[in-house]
Amino acid sequence: AQRVTQPEKLLSVFKGAPVELKCNYSYSGSPELFWYVQYSRQRLQLLLRHISRESIKGFTADLNKGETSFHLKKPFAQEEDSAMYYCALRGTSYGKLTFGQGTILTVHP
Amino acid sequence: GAVVSQHPSWVICKSGTSVKIECRSLDFQATTMFWYRQFPKQSLMLMATSNEGSKATYEQGVEKDKFLINHASLTLSTLTVTSAHPEDSSFYICSARSGTGRGDSYEQYFGPGTRLTVT
Repeated sequence: AQRVTQPEKLLSVFKGAPVELKCNYSYSGSPELFWYVQYSRQRLQLLLRHISRESIKGFTADLNKGETSFHLKKPFAQEEDSAMYYCALRGTSYGKLTFGQGTILTVHP
Repeated sequence: GAVVSQHPSWVICKSGTSVKIECRSLDFQATTMFWYRQFPKQSLMLMATSNEGSKATYEQGVEKDKFLINHASLTLSTLTVTSAHPEDSSFYICSARSGTGRGDSYEQYFGPGTRLTVT
């Protein structure tokens, strides 16, 4: 079975502060991990995936297989980062996505 | 990026009636489509996976006779909520994937969702 846990339902930071959204997963093989973002009144969209090892909008996420974590980080949060963030796991390229519970990030001015 | 549309975006129906939600891939052929249900400020729960031309695969606990899924073409999938009840009120989101094996074809693209309210 595959499971994704996002322990924080709500996260508030001030503009310019570092932010880290936590994600832990459970999967017996080598999964693909993703972060999706949903801005207010917009559709869910892919933010980044671990295999790309890229930085999108200043966000990065490193897959830590030892800790089974895929935390999302940004050194300096911006107000426009306020959104719902979902961590997701996929067992194979053709597999289904399993989403975490989501974390609502609020960046205060 | 690829675009997925849903229609209607919002629907109200009376208890006992059926309602159909359409999901279309606008600029690519979707070999696989997924239907999710999302409760307010909560996670997306996968309901079923459908491949074009074949029967949908439902997740455990999802009533296949209540949530009818049809994926008759490579650009259209429909979800019909039959004999709807107030507890079926939710936000339904579809997602499409091309799966051609090229580039980011394994990526899922999400529709904007459909708000269903059953009175």
